[in-house]
Amino acid sequence: DIVMTQSPDSLAVSLGERATINCKSSQSVFYSSNNKNYLTWYQQKPGQPPKLLIYWASTRESGVPDRFSGSGSGTHFTLTISSLQAEDVAVYYCQQYYSTPWTFGQGTKVELK
Amino acid sequence: QVQLQESGPGLVKPSETLSLTCTVSGGSISTYYWTWIRQPAGKGLEWIGRIYAGGSTNYNPSLKSRVTMSIDTSKNQLSLRLSSVTAADTAVYYCARAVAAALNWFDPWGQGTLVTVSS
Repeated sequence: DIVMTQSPDSLAVSLGERATINCKSSQSVFYSSNNKNYLTWYQQKPGQPPKLLIYWASTRESGVPDRFSGSGSGTHFTLTISSLQAEDVAVYYCQQYYSTPWTFGQGTKVELK
Repeated sequence: QVQLQESGPGLVKPSETLSLTCTVSGGSISTYYWTWIRQPAGKGLEWIGRIYAGGSTNYNPSLKSRVTMSIDTSKNQLSLRLSSVTAADTAVYYCARAVAAALNWFDPWGQGTLVTVSS
């Protein structure tokens, strides 16, 4: 299984400041045949299911604010919230879909400072 | 827009079989892959498995011996059965849609249903 490790486990950010979440996979999730990284990001608020934010490591889902961006390749990935808003307080998960079983990171909790 | 709704018993006894249904509305079940994911309270997400409309399945090896998924296209429903449950199977169970065989990000998700394993 591909193990996904996120860091940090939690972070506190002031309104308007940048939040950066890291995700590392135990093996590459990059397919050279199509030049794509099989990595996605979700946001989960309390009592709600996860919400898709980004797929192919950097493609924003329709309707997701552009303050959310994804980057990285191979085994190291980053989700950045450029200017944190109150509604962004949530737990964020990365997930690889390179090979089964699809696996998730343990989550990063983003709170307001 | 497509909506998913999980349903089933909220309490299951140890060693028994957990059975859940996911009803899909607002779209056809026939052309997508459908997945089950669970989340123990306060913990992360675990992929259980997926099923295609034609009935083909892929299961997480960690659960494969206990999992059965099925699909009823006439009712727009998919089902999950997990046998020989223990307290470790207590979790919120979600159904979700994947777009295609190789496009295994999940959207949308159901609201989830809490299943507690206890005598």
